[in-house]
Amino acid sequence: QKEVEQDPGPLSVPEGAIVSLNCTYSNSAFQYFMWYRQYSRKGPELLMYTYSSGNKEDGRFTAQVDKSSKYISLFIRDSQPSDSATYLCAMEKAAGNKLTFGGGTRVLVKP
Amino acid sequence: DTEVTQTPKHLVMGMTNKKSLKCEQHMGHRAMYWYKQKAKKPPELMFVYSYEKLSINESVPSRFSPECPNSSLLNLHLHALQPEDSALYLCASNYARDRGPNTEAFFGQGTRLTVV
Repeated sequence: QKEVEQDPGPLSVPEGAIVSLNCTYSNSAFQYFMWYRQYSRKGPELLMYTYSSGNKEDGRFTAQVDKSSKYISLFIRDSQPSDSATYLCAMEKAAGNKLTFGGGTRVLVKP
Repeated sequence: DTEVTQTPKHLVMGMTNKKSLKCEQHMGHRAMYWYKQKAKKPPELMFVYSYEKLSINESVPSRFSPECPNSSLLNLHLHALQPEDSALYLCASNYARDRGPNTEAFFGQGTRLTVV
């Protein structure tokens, strides 16, 4: 069993819809949670960073962490075709400086 | 400035060549990383440097040799690679963990390596 599970998609939504992404994890030692967006043949771009349970909002993006359920989510409101990319969740344990990635979800926002 | 700069952007090398990948950041980060990413897969950690010392080596073959000459620079020396080593090589940086929880890792745009 992988430490971090993420549905690979693809997830196809119409423009303007809410995109809902999630990851589950098995190790309660993960304390820091990140979402990255990666366009084809580019490096990952950090979107959101959280380290406590609850919600964090930044523009059209909301990150949600539920440590009791070992579940994290990213919501993208008013999705745009430019949001079409692969979204990677990543987690880090309390010590170690080592990111563990989910497999990535490919998202396609259709005009 | 939240930029991690990697050079070159593209590299084609033969199996007998020696080449180096370079990474630079000026955010004051003291943890720097090399990741390897194959198509449609997430990044896989190769090495972590913390305060210019190698802290994690994920059992990477010796044909990959990392170097951290100072707190801003990270190199990856390549020698006798195989075609299956062709991938996107990503550098990332972060505050070292002793700086507390408000840290996040930033990635460069990667070097696309093709071994022929």
